[in-house]
Amino acid sequence: NAGVTQTPKFRILKIGQSMTLQCTQDMNHNYMYWYRQDPGMGLKLIYYSVGAGITDKGEVPNGYNVSRSTTEDFPLRLELAAPSQTSVYFCASSYSTREVGEKLFFGSGTQLSVL
Amino acid sequence: GNSVTQMEGPVTLSEEAFLTINCTYTATGYPSLFWYVQYPGEGLQLLLKATKADDKGSNKGFEATYRKETTSFHLEKGSVQVSDSAVYFCALSTPTGNQFYFGTGTSLTVIP
Repeated sequence: NAGVTQTPKFRILKIGQSMTLQCTQDMNHNYMYWYRQDPGMGLKLIYYSVGAGITDKGEVPNGYNVSRSTTEDFPLRLELAAPSQTSVYFCASSYSTREVGEKLFFGSGTQLSVL
Repeated sequence: GNSVTQMEGPVTLSEEAFLTINCTYTATGYPSLFWYVQYPGEGLQLLLKATKADDKGSNKGFEATYRKETTSFHLEKGSVQVSDSAVYFCALSTPTGNQFYFGTGTSLTVIP
């Protein structure tokens, strides 16, 4: 069972470079999320999607873009990388928050350094 | 609004000690409450959950009771092991919203 798959696991970028973090899930979940986790800090929501073609900003969306063309995929794009974007990024999915007790499934994370 | 306040860490305990990690919440409506655990180098995974008042979630010796009167969901374990060393996150979701709300996480280290 694949669950939520993120690629790459590690990446080093130079300031100003662009990249896309890939996320795919095989559970037919409607809801998908991108979080970042800074050292010693909790999770901050970047963007989320409640279905194909629908995305919305979370707490810290600046410097990022997302798209959701299929149910399975939810890529996160960094257009002009900055040192402040050095973090660990987690993709997660859920069938629906509107189902009582429905849980989140997380990917294993992408560790990104911007130098 | 919705939010989760979690006990600050880090917490260091000796093996077989009793563990409590405090979690309180603010939510509109009737939230579902969760504890997630993150082992080193991994993503978060669900540890336990409770979906209504007075429910007790339990898993791997950990327990938490949904207390509506005190808006709390404290995590407890009677005897911790070295393998319990991880970061623990309290979280909630509401049936009227689209997001999960996480606490800041509590790092637990258990020493032999």
